[in-house]
Amino acid sequence: AQSVAQPEDQVNVAEGNPLTVKCTYSVSGNPYLFWYVQYPNRGLQFLLKYITGDNLVKGSYGFEAEFNKSQTSFHLKKPSALVSDSALYFCAVGNDMRFGAGTRLTVKP
Amino acid sequence: GAGVSQSPSNKVTEKGKDVELRCDPISGHTALYWYRQSLGQGLEFLIYFQGNSAPDKSGLPSDRFSAERTGGSVSTLTIQRTQQEDSAVYLCASSLDGRQNTEAFFGQGTRLTVV
Repeated sequence: AQSVAQPEDQVNVAEGNPLTVKCTYSVSGNPYLFWYVQYPNRGLQFLLKYITGDNLVKGSYGFEAEFNKSQTSFHLKKPSALVSDSALYFCAVGNDMRFGAGTRLTVKP
Repeated sequence: GAGVSQSPSNKVTEKGKDVELRCDPISGHTALYWYRQSLGQGLEFLIYFQGNSAPDKSGLPSDRFSAERTGGSVSTLTIQRTQQEDSAVYLCASSLDGRQNTEAFFGQGTRLTVV
């Protein structure tokens, strides 16, 4: 069975600082990994995905994620956080799209 | 339509009644997913349809829950004899082809309240 874990319920960062939202995975075979974001009172939106190729994946709104096979991780990153990045972030895995529990990111001015 | 459409957007029902939730996926999308989200929490996987293959029903929490997808398009999630713990937002998503790990597009959800 494929699964992902998001070890942090909440991440707080100051505006302008770099942010990291963590995700680890457990799969048999090749991992297919996704990040989605849910802004308040809005539907989930796709940010980026890793299928194969470069370990650093670039996505929407300046986000990127680094695939690390040895650490079985796929952490979401952004060099400089914005207050508008405050939202609920979900990591997902596989063609049956299993999601993690989510991490609430709060960016403070 | 341009996106995934779910209806109704809100549903209030009495405990013990049956409810049907509808999802219209994006035209041409072969994969369709149902999830349940309780009050800003995580997404609980319910069921995954891929083309004409047998659906993955492993996430359905009890035999009160069932789903079908007619003609490879519209899907209906049915909850029989609703309980208060069924109250949640039910989200539907579709993707071009789950086997190719294409990204999913989500509907706005149906907020179900069981009173």
